[in-house]
Amino acid sequence: ETGVTQTPRHLVMGMTNKKSLKCEQHLGHNAMYWYKQSAKKPLELMFVYNFKEQTENNSVPSRFSPECPNSSHLFLHLHTLQPEDSALYLCASSQDTRSSHEQYFGPGTRLTVT
Amino acid sequence: AQKVTQAQTEISVVEKEDVTLDCVYETRDTTYYLFWYKQPPSGELVFLIRRNSFDEQNEISGRYSWNFQKSTSSFNFTITASQVVDSAVYFCALKFGAGNNRKLIWGLGTSLAVNP
Repeated sequence: ETGVTQTPRHLVMGMTNKKSLKCEQHLGHNAMYWYKQSAKKPLELMFVYNFKEQTENNSVPSRFSPECPNSSHLFLHLHTLQPEDSALYLCASSQDTRSSHEQYFGPGTRLTVT
Repeated sequence: AQKVTQAQTEISVVEKEDVTLDCVYETRDTTYYLFWYKQPPSGELVFLIRRNSFDEQNEISGRYSWNFQKSTSSFNFTITASQVVDSAVYFCALKFGAGNNRKLIWGLGTSLAVNP
């Protein structure tokens, strides 16, 4: 059983394309997260949702637009991206943002912007 | 300042060797939580352990063991009799703060290569 799933696993898009990343968690959690992982850089927290409400946006450019329709699903809508946006995008979930509990991660989407 | 330092960028060992991954943290908080995650080449970060600041008892899980020492602000991870499947990037993380101000910060990771 996979607790957190992400689709697609790989995505190549041009700078003028619009695409969406999808994340789904089957753990009954109430918090969901988007992270960006680039080579040689720390894991970057992008957005946080707690009980469907966005609680954090860490100065992410507006070309990234998150959506959380319910506690189990999280989307990241992408448009007019730049080559430097190429990275591994990881989704995670946890019990909620206030707890001390760990986050559980999906397998990530490897994004390449051409 | 809150900080997590994993000074070892890359480690290479031969199978069956023991290897220790270092994690040093900084925090002003008295209540905090430490984590280790494993990221194999497939990309998914796999949760390994959580330790709270009031529990300094070392933990062993199979070939994995963790040594938490508040006196040196360290939470080191040892793999005994390493195997090729242990090859991955390992991340240490620190959760601090409380309530709506709870934050999680990550080290840069240590890339472990276990060679046959």
